[in-house]
Amino acid sequence: GAGVSQSPSNKVTEKGKDVELRCDPISGHTALYWYRQSLGQGLEFLIYFQGNSAPDKSGLPSDRFSAERTGGSVSTLTIQRTQQEDSAVYLCASSLAPRGGVQETQYFGPGTRLLVL
Amino acid sequence: AQSVAQPEDQVNVAEGNPLTVKCTYSVSGNPYLFWYVQYPNRGLQFLLKYITGDNLVKGSYGFEAEFNKSQTSFHLKKPSALVSDSALYFCAVRDPTGGFKTIFGAGTRLFVKA
Repeated sequence: GAGVSQSPSNKVTEKGKDVELRCDPISGHTALYWYRQSLGQGLEFLIYFQGNSAPDKSGLPSDRFSAERTGGSVSTLTIQRTQQEDSAVYLCASSLAPRGGVQETQYFGPGTRLLVL
Repeated sequence: AQSVAQPEDQVNVAEGNPLTVKCTYSVSGNPYLFWYVQYPNRGLQFLLKYITGDNLVKGSYGFEAEFNKSQTSFHLKKPSALVSDSALYFCAVRDPTGGFKTIFGAGTRLFVKA
């Protein structure tokens, strides 16, 4: 079956511009995560969506970052007024509703490589 | 607050030798622990997890990990390394009493030499 897809695969933008990154989770997965992987760094949790519950936004680094998930499926991560330090790979993952067991496995997309000039 | 540490940036091992990639964690409750692998030019893939039960967990590609509560560790092991195991390995932890945030370690790069 289809895995997690992300678009675009690469994005080059100028400092100060806004960007939107898209994630299509695996069908039936109610949980969706966004992470950031900077060069030489681990994965940094950004935000978590689960069904219709309020998202866990505790990892968003600033108010320039926001995300939404429409209809419980596709998610968009928006970065406003991009800065050079926003350059990173943005990864999306989905899972079944995590409550222990097999539901805890996250399936990752290929990522969007963002370069802010 | 939950955290996870991978004390080695890089591990080098000869093909056929056993390998260990270290991970320690800090959570307030009983942890859910994970290992993921990132091969060059490929996405992150799940390897194995510990949720409850037997402390020794077996996963994909012959890897296993042992949950040690007293040492708060979850080291990844494989009895005989392959060159194809060369990749970036991430340990991750979730505190099920603290929401759904999963914290990843900084990653350990494994080099297996032929």
